[in-house]
Amino acid sequence: AQRVTQPEKLLSVFKGAPVELKCNYSYSGSPELFWYVQYSRQRLQLLLRHISRESIKGFTADLNKGETSFHLKKPFAQEEDSAMYYCALTGFQKLVFGTGTRLLVSP
Amino acid sequence: DGGITQSPKYLFRKEGQNVTLSCEQNLNHDAMYWYRQDPGQGLRLIYYSQIVNDFQKGDIAEGYSVSREKKESFPLTVTSAQKNPTAFYLCASQDRGNQPQHFGDGTRLSIL
Repeated sequence: AQRVTQPEKLLSVFKGAPVELKCNYSYSGSPELFWYVQYSRQRLQLLLRHISRESIKGFTADLNKGETSFHLKKPFAQEEDSAMYYCALTGFQKLVFGTGTRLLVSP
Repeated sequence: DGGITQSPKYLFRKEGQNVTLSCEQNLNHDAMYWYRQDPGQGLRLIYYSQIVNDFQKGDIAEGYSVSREKKESFPLTVTSAQKNPTAFYLCASQDRGNQPQHFGDGTRLSIL
């Protein structure tokens, strides 16, 4: 069965601190992993996907098949990074979301 | 301006009433999805449609119904059988394959 686990409901850091939002998945095939972000009063939008191997707004995520993880990282958090972050996996024509992690960056 | 439009933004339902949430897209995407977003539970899939005139149940389809008569439109009806309809509903569309999904602004449904 496809499953995405985000163990932290809330992650609170100070501005300038490193951030790591954890995501683990279970999937029998070769998954496609995504991170979506929802800023306050904005629609849910794609942040990045693993096949792109790019950095968006300073965030990166590496797919670790051995650990079945796709953690989202940023070396120096900014206040504008405060948002709800969802890890998602696509397979069998469906997108499966984790329960989300709220990132709160304080000044 | 391409995108997904959900309406209304806010909707109130009386006991025993069916209500329909609208979702329209002009992205020419084949697939469309309905999710329910509850605090602490993330997004849960209600129904999805890969092609016109065809749709499948998601993880929490009970109490909901959909139709896909046109490629651009995928309305969701919340029936009186849905005992806990208060939630934020998100519609999404997707191009073929494992492309990212594009989301609407959502509809917040409350019970009067």
